[in-house]
Order: sequence, then structure tokens, then C-alpha cells
Amino acid sequence: GQNIDQPTEMTATEGAIVQINCTYQTSGFNGLFWYQQHAGEAPTFLSYNVLDGLEEKGRFSSFLSRSKGYSYLLLKELQMKDSASYLCAVREQFSGGYNKLIFGAGTRLAVHP
Amino acid sequence: ETGVTQTPRHLVMGMTNKKSLKCEQHLGHNAMYWYKQSAKKPLELMFVYSLEERVENNSVPSRFSPECPNSSHLFLHLHTLQPEDSALYLCASSQLPGGETQYFGPGTRLLVL
Repeated sequence: GQNIDQPTEMTATEGAIVQINCTYQTSGFNGLFWYQQHAGEAPTFLSYNVLDGLEEKGRFSSFLSRSKGYSYLLLKELQMKDSASYLCAVREQFSGGYNKLIFGAGTRLAVHP
Repeated sequence: ETGVTQTPRHLVMGMTNKKSLKCEQHLGHNAMYWYKQSAKKPLELMFVYSLEERVENNSVPSRFSPECPNSSHLFLHLHTLQPEDSALYLCASSQLPGGETQYFGPGTRLLVL
């Protein structure tokens, strides 16, 4: 079966660093996405990892370890506007070569002054 | 702005009503998706269309009926819904079907009374 776990809520201080973890168990792993979703808004694409290692994009970095079924999203120099939900999604390959995204429940991050 | 628009943004309906949700993408993508997002639960994939042909139906009750008249437009027709169908309904699109980077619309917040 498919299982994606991430913490429900996290809090952090403005200017600090926070790491949001995601563990997954899937049968046909074919990449991992992170999305950001502000309350009442659309999820927006943050990052994509398919190979092991760290992908850096400005203040945000994402790490993947396929052997451990583990990823994290690292947010540096936190700003108040980073308060949002962060969704981990695994791309799974099914029979016939078809892929689809399986989402975790999301981690709600609150950044305080 | 993600290039995906949805109307209406909010909808309240009774269990005997018939209503439709509309999604339009301005990105030239070939695949479109309907997701259901309930509080504290993962996004649930409902339907996937590729070049106007339905390729995925995740055992969604027949009271939800999708329609994809062309690659830019997607509808979700609602009929005799239940209170537990109250949720945020998100539309997304991608260049190719099945797990490529998906771009989401802002969603329709549905309340069934």
C-alpha cells in the first residue's frame, strides 16, 4: 500500500531555520514533490527530487534518500509569509507506465516574530 | 496566479440541488485533474483527463460527474450530494498526464447542507 507521513504542525521563529520531514512507503517510486499551500489558496510547486541528494533553490532546499524512503524540506531565514501548509507528494508509477501523485496530509507551519 | 482558474470560489448547496464546478487552464497543458481536499486529510485524486479522455477514476461516487469538453476546460457536475462531500475541490493541470509537475487552481470551497 501507499503511506506518506509528515508532522501535522510545526512552529518556528522568524529568521530561523526549519526542517519538515516526510517519510513514505510506496511500491513504484518515481520522484517526490513539495508544494506550499497558504490558507484558502492553491498549492504551489516548490521542488522536485528524483535522485538522492540535496536540491537548493534560494531559501528552500529539498533532500531525498530513496533507500530510506525519506525526504525533508529545509526553509532558511524564515519570514512571516512562510506560514503555510507544506505538502509532500510522491509520484508513483503504475502498470502501463502511468504515473500519479500521492499526497501526504500536509504540515502546517506557523512562523512567529 | 498559477494559470488555472476555478469558479465559483465558494458554493453552498442543498442535498437535492444540482450544481457544476468549472476549471479553466491557460497553460496549454494536456492533462487536467480533480482533487478533493478535506480538513487534515491528504488531497484525494478524483479524476484525471488526458487530451479530453478520462484515464483515471478513483472509485468516486456517481453523484460526481466530470466533463472535459476540450483540453482547456474541465467541469465537475454535482447531484444529490451528502454533507460529508463538503470540502475544498481543487483542479490542476500538467503538460503530460500522470504525475508531471501539476499546477493547481485556487479551489472551490463547497458546503453541502
